[in-house]
Amino acid sequence: NAGVTQTPKFRVLKTGQSMTLLCAQDMNHEYMYWYRQDPGMGLRLIHYSVGEGTTAKGEVPDGYNVSRLKKQNFLLGLESAAPSQTSVYFCASGRDSRFLTDTQYFGPGTRLTVL
Amino acid sequence: AQKITQTQPGMFVQEKEAVTLDCTYDTSDPSYGLFWYKQPSSGEMIFLIYQGSYDQQNATEGRYSLNFQKARKSANLVISASQLGDSAMYFCAMSPSGAGSYQLTFGKGTKLSVIP
Repeated sequence: NAGVTQTPKFRVLKTGQSMTLLCAQDMNHEYMYWYRQDPGMGLRLIHYSVGEGTTAKGEVPDGYNVSRLKKQNFLLGLESAAPSQTSVYFCASGRDSRFLTDTQYFGPGTRLTVL
Repeated sequence: AQKITQTQPGMFVQEKEAVTLDCTYDTSDPSYGLFWYKQPSSGEMIFLIYQGSYDQQNATEGRYSLNFQKARKSANLVISASQLGDSAMYFCAMSPSGAGSYQLTFGKGTKLSVIP
């Protein structure tokens, strides 16, 4: 039982390049999330999904796209990377809202640098 | 909209002493959930404790307790008998409707340093 995994762990991009971050969970969770964490800040929600085939915008969605083609995977894409997207990206998953006291389970993070 | 405020950027505590990390929140939701997470230097987010807005008693988990004062909109984390391994960033977060698996709003965090 690996929990939530993220690929890659580190990445350096040049401005204008594209990339996809992969999040996978093996807990059969309905909900999945992408957050970013910048220095001196807490985590901010980028996009989220409440089930396979669904996605929704969070607090800071601009410049990112997501897809949830399979229940266990949640992809975050950067079509044209900008230096402002240099950050640590966390994926999380959780059971649906019936489980009121459940926490979200976080992946180990991906450190992305855009030059 | 929900907002979490953590006013202490950094805190120091002597080993074996207790420490309180402050968290205040603002929300118009009638029910909500409050969480604390620990982020050590290795970077992972570790869930510590949860408090539902309708819970009558303060939550406790081992050395962690949550001092919940609903009227003051505060949810302070108390760590008893601090250990060197408690040195980390601590984040307060909340979710609407008490649903933990729903969107979380985080504070900016407090860096706790435990002194031997």
